[in-house]
Amino acid sequence: GAVVSQHPSWVICKSGTSVKIECRSLDFQATTMFWYRQFPKQSLMLMATSNEGSKATYEQGVEKDKFLINHASLTLSTLTVTSAHPEDSSFYICSARTGTNSVNDNSPLHFGNGTRLTVT
Amino acid sequence: QKEVEQNSGPLSVPEGAIASLNCTYSDRVSQSFFWYRQYSGKSPELIMSIYSNGDKEDGRFTAQLNKASQYVSLLIRDSQPSDSATYLCAVKTGGYQKVTFGIGTKLQVIP
Repeated sequence: GAVVSQHPSWVICKSGTSVKIECRSLDFQATTMFWYRQFPKQSLMLMATSNEGSKATYEQGVEKDKFLINHASLTLSTLTVTSAHPEDSSFYICSARTGTNSVNDNSPLHFGNGTRLTVT
Repeated sequence: QKEVEQNSGPLSVPEGAIASLNCTYSDRVSQSFFWYRQYSGKSPELIMSIYSNGDKEDGRFTAQLNKASQYVSLLIRDSQPSDSATYLCAVKTGGYQKVTFGIGTKLQVIP
């Protein structure tokens, strides 16, 4: 159980274009999903918390107008990198919990396979 | 001060030895602690969760938690070359949904 599917696994795009990444919970409903980014030899950094049916919560320093998040259903969240630039090249990973997702939910995160974005 | 600190390594151990990975955290009210394994180019996969002080064993893995010292560790017994990966320590503070990750310790198991 607790399978999170992410698509695409890799994408190469030209500078200035937009890229959409999908994250699906396959065998559970995820009211909340988390989007992380990982640069080479660095830790996972939380970008935003995606809440079904409401606006995402972005971490400090993450531009909400650049990284558009939509969580329209209990099993799907999307991250769109708008007007991508080479500095946006990174490994983007979504995750979700199988628990209630309340602030006291201590269940672990389950990760998708990640999307390697390269902007040329 | 970083919220979750790990030595980035690499930590090299011979095959069959015990690998000891350490992590400290800064927020005293942290409640949930996780160890993830991440192979190069892949996403993290959960190894263990621990919530109470003491030891928790699962096969060759033992997680240890000491909340008074704000310290959590992972022991890998009978290390195998396939254990070579980066091990991420993750901490969740009660009252928040956010999980914070350390930089990870790169483990190399030498055949």
